[in-house]
Amino acid sequence: GDSVTQMEGPVTLSEEAFLTINCTYTATGYPSLFWYVQYPGEGLQLLLKATKADDKGSNKGFEATYRKETTSFHLEKGSVQVSDSAVYFCALMNAGNMLTFGGGTRLMVKP
Amino acid sequence: SQTIHQWPATLVQPVGSPLSLECTVEGTSNPNLYWYRQAAGRGLQLLFYSVGIGQISSEVPQNLSASRPQDRQFILSSKKLLLSDSGFYLCACPRTFSGPYGYTFGSGTRLTVV
Repeated sequence: GDSVTQMEGPVTLSEEAFLTINCTYTATGYPSLFWYVQYPGEGLQLLLKATKADDKGSNKGFEATYRKETTSFHLEKGSVQVSDSAVYFCALMNAGNMLTFGGGTRLMVKP
Repeated sequence: SQTIHQWPATLVQPVGSPLSLECTVEGTSNPNLYWYRQAAGRGLQLLFYSVGIGQISSEVPQNLSASRPQDRQFILSSKKLLLSDSGFYLCACPRTFSGPYGYTFGSGTRLTVV
C-alpha cells in the first residue's frame, strides 16, 4: 500500500537558518504530493502541493519539488522565522482521493 | 469555498463516559468525509471515512464508531471512553475543484480522557 516517510523531529533551528525536512514516498501510479502545516493547537492547513513529476510547489517561502526518480518531496525554506515553528506533515493522494500522511516533523525555531 | 466546522474544540471526559463529536461541512455536496486522530506526539491515523449517507468504512479496530446521518454531517461516537481514546480528532474532506487539492480540515477537537 501507499506510505510516506518523514524525518523524525524535533528539528531545532535558529532564526534565519536554512530548513530541509525530508520526505519520501511509496505509491502505485502517479500520486499528488502535499505538505501540510499544523500550528500549535490548530488543525492542519495545506502549505503547498505538486501534482506531477518535476512540479515545484511553493508558498510562504517554502518550496518542495516532486522528484519521481527518487520518490521524494523534500520541504525547504531558505530562512526560517520563529513563526514557522509548527508540525509539518508530508502526504500523498492517490486515485481513491485518500490522503496518506507521514508521521509529522516538529520544527522549533529559536530567536 | 469549503469550510468544516467541528465542535467542541476541547473536551475532558471521564473513563467510561460516552462521546459524540460532530463535524459539518459547508460549500460542497456529497463529499467524502474522514475522521483522523492524532495522539500526543504522533502522526495522523485515519479512523473512518464515508463516501455517502449511511456509508462508513473503518480503518482500524477500536472503541469508536462513526455515523453519517446527513450528507454534510459526520459524527464520531463512543459508548464508553478509554484512556487511550485521548487525542486530537480532525474531520476532513477533499478539496476538489479542477484537480486534487488535498483536504480541507476542521480546526479539531482535543479530547482528554481522565
